[in-house]
Amino acid sequence: QVQLVESGGGLVKPGGSLRLTCAASGFNFREYYMSWIRQAPGKGLEYIAYISNTGRYTHYADSVKGRFTISRGNANDSVTLQVSSLRAEDTAVYFCARLDTSNTHFDSWGQGTVVTVSS
Amino acid sequence: DVQMTQSPSTLSASIGDTVTITCRTSPSVFNYLAWYQHKPGKAPNLLISKASTLESGVPSRFSATGSGTEFTLTISSLHPDDVATYYCQQYDSNSVYTFGQGTKVEI
Repeated sequence: QVQLVESGGGLVKPGGSLRLTCAASGFNFREYYMSWIRQAPGKGLEYIAYISNTGRYTHYADSVKGRFTISRGNANDSVTLQVSSLRAEDTAVYFCARLDTSNTHFDSWGQGTVVTVSS
Repeated sequence: DVQMTQSPSTLSASIGDTVTITCRTSPSVFNYLAWYQHKPGKAPNLLISKASTLESGVPSRFSATGSGTEFTLTISSLHPDDVATYYCQQYDSNSVYTFGQGTKVEI
């Protein structure tokens, strides 16, 4: 079955960087757009970014544009989110999710990795 | 950008009750509306796609209707396992995905 496993979260100081990785299995990774979504403490879900199946197209929410970069490795079935210039408000659980084939909703999710931005 | 309003923010009900959650959008999102169930510490789970299509494996007590700007998720005969936060999510033509504020269902 579809499995998405995130890693790379941790405690980082304001202005710092992290590299989040999502390892995918159980489906033909090259056929699907992938995305990252986050949930800040006590808040709802927030879409952050997506990447097309070939990696040619990316899109970012305004809140992270210019600071976060999404990429993928179709050779090793992984998607990465490079998070930089981190702020306290970036503290959240970061979820990797697969977009369905119509690219209108997220049909599989990982359990998330926690990023805490604090001095 | 599409504006979304999900209500109520919290819902307290009893086992066996029928509960309804509403999501309103402005402007229309046609039928590009999905519903998710999220329990603490778990991965969110897709319940409904394209406004009313029940996903495989989702209990039939979950149903949804709507199109355009008003959508509803109904849970018939509430089970203890349904305690969770429920989110609507829309897709618009600018390739933007937006989630509702969430509805916490308590028993």
